[in-house]
Amino acid sequence: DIQMTQSPSSLSASVPDRVTITCRASQSINNYLNWYQQKPGKAPKLLIYAASSLQSGVPSRFFGSGSATDFTLTISSLQPEDFATYYCQQTYSAPWTFGQGTKVEIK
Amino acid sequence: QVQVVQSGSELKKPGASVQISCKASGYTFKTYAMNWVRQAPGQGLEWMGWINTNTGNPTYAQGFRGRFVFSLDTSVSTAYLQISSLRAEDTAVYYCARAGSSFSFVYWGQGTLVTVSS
Repeated sequence: DIQMTQSPSSLSASVPDRVTITCRASQSINNYLNWYQQKPGKAPKLLIYAASSLQSGVPSRFFGSGSATDFTLTISSLQPEDFATYYCQQTYSAPWTFGQGTKVEIK
Repeated sequence: QVQVVQSGSELKKPGASVQISCKASGYTFKTYAMNWVRQAPGQGLEWMGWINTNTGNPTYAQGFRGRFVFSLDTSVSTAYLQISSLRAEDTAVYYCARAGSSFSFVYWGQGTLVTVSS
């Protein structure tokens, strides 16, 4: 199975900081990398698919980049509604696997 | 608009079974696969597997083979997850999620909390 490792596991930031979360795959996954945002008690929400494609309706302050094994989710200007947990996911090779999550907290 | 609506919370005793439904609307049901994801309390997301909504063929991740069954009723655009011989460690929120581009999970159900307790 492909292992997905996110870093950091948590971070504290303030509005309107720039925030970067990284995700590393244990082998190349081309660009089959997705990012999700999850708020407490809610279902995850797709932000980015195929490493860098912004899902419809997602604010442009969310930016995905990377390829092969190393990927990044950047929030260019953190907003109050962005405090949440973020997960990466590979859909290159089944079983699809998620990273362990990165919790973005208010500083 | 696309909607995926799951059945409500369940409280079950160890050894019992539970069936969760996932009703889709707003698109042609057989066009997209349906995935199942588990989230234990305070934990991350774990992919359980998926079901081909066109053929009905399920694929289970390791760890979800045996007691977990995915099924469909295409006449009502609904996917089901059945869990048998429930254990305390099955306590979790279970999500269904419709596949999209690059197999991403575009549309999610609201989640179903299954609590297993004597």
